[in-house]
Amino acid sequence: DVKVTQSSRYLVKRTGEKVFLECVQDMDHENMFWYRQDPGLGLRLIYFSYDVKMKEKGDIPEGYSVSREKKERFSLILESASTNQTSMYLCASGPTGPKETQYFGPGTRLLVL
Amino acid sequence: AQKITQTQPGMFVQEKEAVTLDCTYDTSDQSYGLFWYKQPSSGEMIFLIYQGSYDEQNATEGRYSLNFQKARKSANLVISASQLGDSAMYFCAMRELYNFNKFYFGSGTKLNVKP
Repeated sequence: DVKVTQSSRYLVKRTGEKVFLECVQDMDHENMFWYRQDPGLGLRLIYFSYDVKMKEKGDIPEGYSVSREKKERFSLILESASTNQTSMYLCASGPTGPKETQYFGPGTRLLVL
Repeated sequence: AQKITQTQPGMFVQEKEAVTLDCTYDTSDQSYGLFWYKQPSSGEMIFLIYQGSYDEQNATEGRYSLNFQKARKSANLVISASQLGDSAMYFCAMRELYNFNKFYFGSGTKLNVKP
């Protein structure tokens, strides 16, 4: 079974804090993704990475950065958390190919006070 | 323009009945894939079913089937014999061949199965 794990299920941070969300996959997938999920908006892509040290911006990269130093690990960084970044964050990984699905982690619910 | 549209924010279905969740998509590519995911209250997205744009037959996976109407650009999910455990959010997604690292997701449909 494909396993995608995220470092925290729930996180509470204060405005201005630097926040790290970590994601690890065990299936040697080339591609990893970070999404943000808000009610009524579905999933919106923040960043994705198609190889180690490679990254591309998604639809809503502002206020976020990412790091992929190892193939299995993809980190999302909120440089200075703001209340409008309170959300559910989902990590996913997947092989390359148009028929391939993505595999998702359990999500991190982040509350920024 | 929205790439994926799910017009039903919420739906109810009686246990053991069938239910159809609507999804329409917008693409100018000839080659693309359509996916449905289930998200229980626990939060994890679970892959349910895939339909390729060139597949001639509608996809089926157990109690899930996909009613694919290419000309109408619709890919509705049909769940037969609903169970209480089917209560969840359901998302439709699309992946285009020439931009296949990007998934487009709809806003989701919350399905409630009544006993």
